[in-house]
Amino acid sequence: AQKVTQAQTEISVVEKEDVTLDCVYETRDTTYYLFWYKQPPSGELVFLIRRNSFDEQNEISGRYSWNFQKSTSSFNFTITASQVVDSAVYFCALSEALAQGGSEKLVFGKGTKLTVNP
Amino acid sequence: DTEVTQTPKHLVMGMTNKKSLKCEQHMGHRAMYWYKQKAKKPPELMFVYSYEKLSINESVPSRFSPECPNSSLLNLHLHALQPEDSALYLCASSQDRYQNTGELFFGEGSRLTVL
Repeated sequence: AQKVTQAQTEISVVEKEDVTLDCVYETRDTTYYLFWYKQPPSGELVFLIRRNSFDEQNEISGRYSWNFQKSTSSFNFTITASQVVDSAVYFCALSEALAQGGSEKLVFGKGTKLTVNP
Repeated sequence: DTEVTQTPKHLVMGMTNKKSLKCEQHMGHRAMYWYKQKAKKPPELMFVYSYEKLSINESVPSRFSPECPNSSLLNLHLHALQPEDSALYLCASSQDRYQNTGELFFGEGSRLTVL
């Protein structure tokens, strides 16, 4: 069965600090997709990144960076120079291809609540 | 602004009421989803519609009844709910998996309280 573990329940940092959110996953599939979503207090889930299992290149987008390591089944997310607006719950997720009709199911980790204090 | 619109944003209902949650997207996506999220928990999949047909029901009680009138609309009909059904209900959509980036677009959710 697929599983995503986010061991950090809550993290609190001061603005401008760097912070890394950990994500470890389990799957028997050879092809899979990993995601990070942000959920601000307003409720909607905001897509941050998708990475497929064949692409281990790290990615950087502005202050955000992601480190995908298949050898350790990890997909960690780092925010550089954190800002108050980064305060949210961050979910790591693993997708499972559904046999019916080309849709998919996301298996979420329990989330990490990040609080960035001024 | 999110491209998946959910109404109402908040709903309070009694256990004998019948109500509906609505979701709309105009991105041409052919898969639509209902997720349920309890407080401080991750979202959990309830239903998947693919090409307007129900393809997945994650053993959801029959007091939740989904409907997909067309490719842009997804409803969730609620009847005889229990207080433990109080949660944030999230709608999402995606393109066909074999064409898309794997991204699910989520709405802001409908926060349901059952008294």
